[in-house]
Amino acid sequence: EAGVAQSPRYKIIEKRQSVAFWCNPISGHATLYWYQQILGQGPKLLIQFQNNGVVDDSQLPKDRFSAERLKGVDSTLKIQPAKLEDSAVYLCASSRTTGSYGYTFGSGTRLTVV
Amino acid sequence: DQQVKQNSPSLSVQEGRISILNCDYTNSMFDYFLWYKKYPAEGPTFLISISSIKDKNEDGRFTVFLNKSAKHLSLHIVPSQPGDSAVYFCAASGGRWDGSNYKLTFGKGTLLTVNP
Repeated sequence: EAGVAQSPRYKIIEKRQSVAFWCNPISGHATLYWYQQILGQGPKLLIQFQNNGVVDDSQLPKDRFSAERLKGVDSTLKIQPAKLEDSAVYLCASSRTTGSYGYTFGSGTRLTVV
Repeated sequence: DQQVKQNSPSLSVQEGRISILNCDYTNSMFDYFLWYKKYPAEGPTFLISISSIKDKNEDGRFTVFLNKSAKHLSLHIVPSQPGDSAVYFCAASGGRWDGSNYKLTFGKGTLLTVNP
């Protein structure tokens, strides 16, 4: 089974620029998550999709962050404009719909905002 | 407000000995707990989990213990191996079974180093 694919692996941008991350979950996984992991912290959920619908985006800074999962498969997370405090690893994860706590993470995208 | 706490940023043990990683939580709604292991430049990988209806779950060298009254869980690794060196995250979940409860709340992680 192929894992969760994320790209790019690394990105360096200047503050106030925009950036987008892409995630392709494991085939057949209906639930997709975006987590933000700041250095020295645990991952924090930004948004959860069930198929192409948003289940939880309560911790997504909606003034600058947006995410979509148009066809219920792959997803993009965008930041516009970026701030210095957005420097983090952005992790995508996916799981089957039911009883799947042990979901699978991708390798993440490391974003550095300078 | 940190609902899942891992108070030890790091732990160093000798190969062959026991590693004990601790985790405390404050939210009484949590009913499922997991441990993830993370190597550098990789995403976290699921290691072991426990439901709140149990107090122990074992998988090979890994055992998780849950003390609900103390809101405390621990991960035991016996015997520890150099390949176990990684960051270990404790995570918790809970709530209504409507699809939104699979959100995980993570601790800050503990860096385990197993010395040969």
